[in-house]
Amino acid sequence: AQTVTQSQPEMSVQEAETVTLSCTYDTSESDYYLFWYKQPPSRQMILVIRQEAYKQQNATENRFSVNFQKAAKSFSLKISDSQLGDAAMYFCAYRSATTGTASKLTFGTGTRLQVTL
Amino acid sequence: DVKVTQSSRYLVKRTGEKVFLECVQDMDHENMFWYRQDPGLGLRLIYFSYDVKMKEKGDIPEGYSVSREKKERFSLILESASTNQTSMYLCASSFPWYFGPGTRLTVT
Repeated sequence: AQTVTQSQPEMSVQEAETVTLSCTYDTSESDYYLFWYKQPPSRQMILVIRQEAYKQQNATENRFSVNFQKAAKSFSLKISDSQLGDAAMYFCAYRSATTGTASKLTFGTGTRLQVTL
Repeated sequence: DVKVTQSSRYLVKRTGEKVFLECVQDMDHENMFWYRQDPGLGLRLIYFSYDVKMKEKGDIPEGYSVSREKKERFSLILESASTNQTSMYLCASSFPWYFGPGTRLTVT
């Protein structure tokens, strides 16, 4: 079974600074997807960024980028120019690519990010 | 722009009660999921359904059952609620993935 580990329960960053959230995972599969989800205090889960395992290029979405190290099974999220609205719980998630679109998401335990002035 | 809705944002029930949590999606998705979210444990999959009347157990199905009679609706049932089922419950549908706003259930 796949597992996702987020070792940082809480992180803090000053506004306009850069912060990196860590995620490692364990799988025997070679084809899969990785995601970072954001859950603001309002609780609606929002997709931040996704990475296909077969792509070597790291995904980027505006101020959000990932460092995907497939051999190390590491998938960290970098938030640049942090804003107050980035304060949220961030979840790393894994999905197998072998069982089609019906496959489930496996989540880490989350990292709560605080953004200070 | 409603995509996934859940019947209640907050719910308080007594031990032993039968509890129904409803989830509705308007995207004609085949797959629907129920997760439970607890601090320090992340989201854990309770049950999922990949078609009407089809269901599969997730990682923590004990104490729960589900029903999917129509494609757009996926219900989570607590047959006899217990205090250890106090939690946040999140519904999701795919593909692509969308999450509901969550139901905070307290069992007293």
